[in-house]
Amino acid sequence: GEDVEQSLFLSVREGDSSVINCTYTDSSSTYLYWYKQEPGAGLQLLTYIFSNMDMKQDQRLTVLLNKKDKHLSLRIADTQTGDSAIYFCASNQGGKLIFGQGTELSVKP
Amino acid sequence: DAGVIQSPRHEVTEMGQEVTLRCKPISGHDYLFWYRQTMMRGLELLIYFNNNVPIDDSGMPEDRFSAKMPNASFSTLKIQPSEPRDSAVYFCASKWGATGELFFGEGSRLTVL
Repeated sequence: GEDVEQSLFLSVREGDSSVINCTYTDSSSTYLYWYKQEPGAGLQLLTYIFSNMDMKQDQRLTVLLNKKDKHLSLRIADTQTGDSAIYFCASNQGGKLIFGQGTELSVKP
Repeated sequence: DAGVIQSPRHEVTEMGQEVTLRCKPISGHDYLFWYRQTMMRGLELLIYFNNNVPIDDSGMPEDRFSAKMPNASFSTLKIQPSEPRDSAVYFCASKWGATGELFFGEGSRLTVL
């Protein structure tokens, strides 16, 4: 069945790069997304990548997609304390969005 | 637009009581999703609608849960009877089109004692 998996925690120092990884099982996923959740709030879209791309860059964010291995990553350059949040990857399967468990990113000054 | 609006934001109830969560999607959106978030299970898709029609309810935990969308601007998620293990944050989200951006509400935090 559909499954999206992420590691649960990541801790980095301010100014370092953060890399959050995700694997998914459904090869028919057309779009893959990264969402950010701040405490007490809903999820907000950060960026997305179409399944026929292997990389997308958007300011400090770089998304890499390895479709053969069904692996998605989000790199945040120059991580700031304001980036501390939970990051979710999600795959779009015919309109339905399936989310991973979320990776809690902690940025230490 | 005000975004996706959920109510109540917080609800505390006793086991066995009926709980009704409400959602108003963004105007013009044709997809509506209900998710449940817990520490143990992460973000689970419960059910989603397209043009007010339930498309996939395979994530609904059991018969105690039901969801309706009587029109394009309103949906409810009902739990009857509620149990302590239903305690979670319930999110409603909506989007336009199969590949449109999904917008989330602020969530309804449910505590069942």
